[in-house]
Amino acid sequence: DVKVTQSSRYLVKRTGEKVFLECVQDMDHENMFWYRQDPGLGLRLIYFSYDVKMKEKGDIPEGYSVSREKKERFSLILESASTNQTSMYLCASNPLEGPYYEQYFGPGTRLTVT
Amino acid sequence: AQSVTQPDIHITVSEGASLELRCNYSYGATPYLFWYVQSPGQGLQLLLKYFSGDTLVQGIKGFEAEFKRSQSSFNLRKPSVHWSDAAEYFCAVGVDYGGATNKLIFGTGTLLAVQP
Repeated sequence: DVKVTQSSRYLVKRTGEKVFLECVQDMDHENMFWYRQDPGLGLRLIYFSYDVKMKEKGDIPEGYSVSREKKERFSLILESASTNQTSMYLCASNPLEGPYYEQYFGPGTRLTVT
Repeated sequence: AQSVTQPDIHITVSEGASLELRCNYSYGATPYLFWYVQSPGQGLQLLLKYFSGDTLVQGIKGFEAEFKRSQSSFNLRKPSVHWSDAAEYFCAVGVDYGGATNKLIFGTGTLLAVQP
């Protein structure tokens, strides 16, 4: 089974802190994704990566950056956390070829910025 | 532009009753469609998917969905709901993003409550 793990289930940070959210997948997938989930807004794509050191902006990249130094690991970085970044963050992965777009999700990190 | 619409934000059904969750999509090419479920505090789990072929697809936990191209719909159904089905349900369409890269576009979700 594909396994996607996220470093923390719950995280509380202060405004202005630099925050790292880590995601690791064990299935040698090329693609990895970071989403943010808010009530009534569904899942919104922040960034994704299709290869090591490659990244693409999603729909809401402002205030975030990412890093992918190894194929299995994709990090989301909040350079200076703000209260409007309080949210649930979900990581996902899938292979470059088949099974056609299906993504595998981690358990999520609920981040609170105070 | 590609989009997914789930018109029902919140639905309440009685245990044992039938269920239908609506999903409409907008995508110019052949759609690859998904339903995911998210239990409270958890990540997303794939319920079922449609790529091609039979327009009625079966998934896990007794769910099924029917693809109707003429209506741009992919509604999720279950004949008899169990209390454990209370969760949030997301419909998604897979889209190409240059070359072989792809991404999913999600609807805003439908929160299902089940009454005893």
